[in-house]
Amino acid sequence: NAGVTQTPKFQVLKTGQSMTLQCAQDMNHNSMYWYRQDPGMGLRLIYYSASEGTTDKGEVPNGYNVSRLNKREFSLRLESAAPSQTSVYFCASIPDRVNSPLHFGNGTRLTVT
Amino acid sequence: GQQVMQIPQYQHVQEGEDFTTYCNSSTTLSNIQWYKQRPGGHPVFLIQLVKSGEVKKQKRLTFQFGEAKKNSSLHITATQTTDVGTYFCAGRYKIIFGKGTRLHILP
Repeated sequence: NAGVTQTPKFQVLKTGQSMTLQCAQDMNHNSMYWYRQDPGMGLRLIYYSASEGTTDKGEVPNGYNVSRLNKREFSLRLESAAPSQTSVYFCASIPDRVNSPLHFGNGTRLTVT
Repeated sequence: GQQVMQIPQYQHVQEGEDFTTYCNSSTTLSNIQWYKQRPGGHPVFLIQLVKSGEVKKQKRLTFQFGEAKKNSSLHITATQTTDVGTYFCAGRYKIIFGKGTRLHILP
């Protein structure tokens, strides 16, 4: 049982390049989340998906797009990367939205030069 | 929108001393969750509080939820080196996190 799997683990991009961060969970969870973590800023919610086929903006959605491809997968896309998007990105999932803890992936460390 | 504020941002304690971090929300929370993140790792769930005035203990960790369900605290008794990390509270709705308290233990 792998839990929440994120790929890649590390990525270096040049300004203006695009890429997609992948996230998959094998726990049959309904809701999935993308966070970014910067030093001193804690975890900030980018986008979330309460269920397959739905997505909603979080605290810092600008510059990102998401796709809930199916129940298992929730991807995060940077269309034109900027140095301000250098961060550690965490994907997380929960089985429902009421009283469940988040299960996090191991993160993707992204550097934009 | 919902905001969750956490203090202090950093805390250095001697091993064996107690430690407390506080979490305050701008809105009433349905519940609050606490997570711990070790350096280089990902956040790991510690506990969830749901009821007004609720107090829960996990060994040396004591968690409290305020009567108005707008604040919470985590208290660690007699800190150990294994307690090093960043402690986050998260308010439910969109699951918004506080900025966390980074705990350093001085040997």
